[in-house]
Amino acid sequence: DTAVSQTPKYLVTQMGNDKSIKCEQNLGHDTMYWYKQDSKKFLKIMFSYNNKELIINETVPNRFSPKSPDKAHLNLHINSLELGDSAVYFCASSQDGQAPYFGPGTRLLVL
Amino acid sequence: EDQVTQSPEALRLQEGESSSLNCSYTVSGLRGLFWYRQDPGKGPEFLFTLYSAGEEKEKERLKATLTKKESFLHITAPKPEDSATYLCAGKGAAGNKLTFGGGTRVLVKP
Repeated sequence: DTAVSQTPKYLVTQMGNDKSIKCEQNLGHDTMYWYKQDSKKFLKIMFSYNNKELIINETVPNRFSPKSPDKAHLNLHINSLELGDSAVYFCASSQDGQAPYFGPGTRLLVL
Repeated sequence: EDQVTQSPEALRLQEGESSSLNCSYTVSGLRGLFWYRQDPGKGPEFLFTLYSAGEEKEKERLKATLTKKESFLHITAPKPEDSATYLCAGKGAAGNKLTFGGGTRVLVKP
């Protein structure tokens, strides 16, 4: 299936831990994103990469570090997790400014 | 700063009862107005992109329209399977960033 996939789907962890979320797209898109959806369902962009180059970096704590090893992958590493990091994180990809296609989300709960 | 506001926050409809969702936007140099559908526990699913005032797009029971300040998503004779949260987002002149509204939760009762 052509899609945007993320792992893991659920992540439950303690405060202070470090965790990573992986994303892969097989749509051949040149741009990938990380979005955060909070408890009120607002989706906000965190990062955008185009051909492995960071092009959007919103006001996100530097505990969040994206890494794009190649055009098809964009991972998100989070250091020293805090309670307020609990949210759903969506990876997305797009081509030539077209509509982004979203992955299924990773539900992060920090205890 | 770009802003997108959706109303109402929630909408309860009887099956067959047509209605419209509103998306007001203030997006500098709008380069696209996007509509998505999101089911519980899933990622947003792309529906439409509108690029200029006056443009309309249709898909089954859904029709999206665009003016210079707002977009509307019309749901004609909805069915229970149309129950979802509908999100709109604007893309401005600065890069590929989409600014999302808070969504409208639609519940269609049989």
